[in-house]
Amino acid sequence: DTEVTQTPKHLVMGMTNKKSLKCEQHMGHRAMYWYKQKAKKPPELMFVYSYEKLSINESVPSRFSPECPNSSLLNLHLHALQPEDSALYLCASSQGLSTGRMNQPQHFGDGTRLSIL
Amino acid sequence: AQKVTQAQTEISVVEKEDVTLDCVYETRDTTYYLFWYKQPPSGELVFLIRRNSFDEQNEISGRYSWNFQKSTSSFNFTITASQVVDSAVYFCALSANAGGTSYGKLTFGQGTILTVHP
Repeated sequence: DTEVTQTPKHLVMGMTNKKSLKCEQHMGHRAMYWYKQKAKKPPELMFVYSYEKLSINESVPSRFSPECPNSSLLNLHLHALQPEDSALYLCASSQGLSTGRMNQPQHFGDGTRLSIL
Repeated sequence: AQKVTQAQTEISVVEKEDVTLDCVYETRDTTYYLFWYKQPPSGELVFLIRRNSFDEQNEISGRYSWNFQKSTSSFNFTITASQVVDSAVYFCALSANAGGTSYGKLTFGQGTILTVHP
């Protein structure tokens, strides 16, 4: 079983809907990540949170809004998505962001398969 | 800039064959870390191994082994006596400082789809 839990596993939504993806980890990790992965492609980094503060935003459109309510939880709020946003959304966590922690692996969840109608 | 190249897009083998997945990387940093992840159809990326730039020892874990060669900037992964359960997409990834701009970023290769037939 993965130590990073993502819900829901599947989500189908219309372009006008508002929904949220949730991610939870209880490994005491202080860095959390959102990735987007299209079929047959590697994951693309979207956001990174460090100690509950947004550290990296990879120029993601504003229709994706991340939130880190506490050190264990990471949300991704979705609004007015486009069909090209259909993808697997992966959450990951790691011990932290620092030169001394670059060697720590990221642990991934199972992902949410998102389909936009 | 960091770059990871996995030249093999797809590999197909029959069970019990040995298979090697290639990974070549580029970075200007002297300190960096390399990773291999496995992604089965379920979607989760499973961490397999980490190697830092100062440690060129090869590693073996059961049927898995890794060969790290700085001279050729390669970090290849071999599965011995492959099994159907090894079928997955395998990603090689690089983590480097890049002058302080890349904290938290993993540079992934394009992935190799491995299919093991019974």
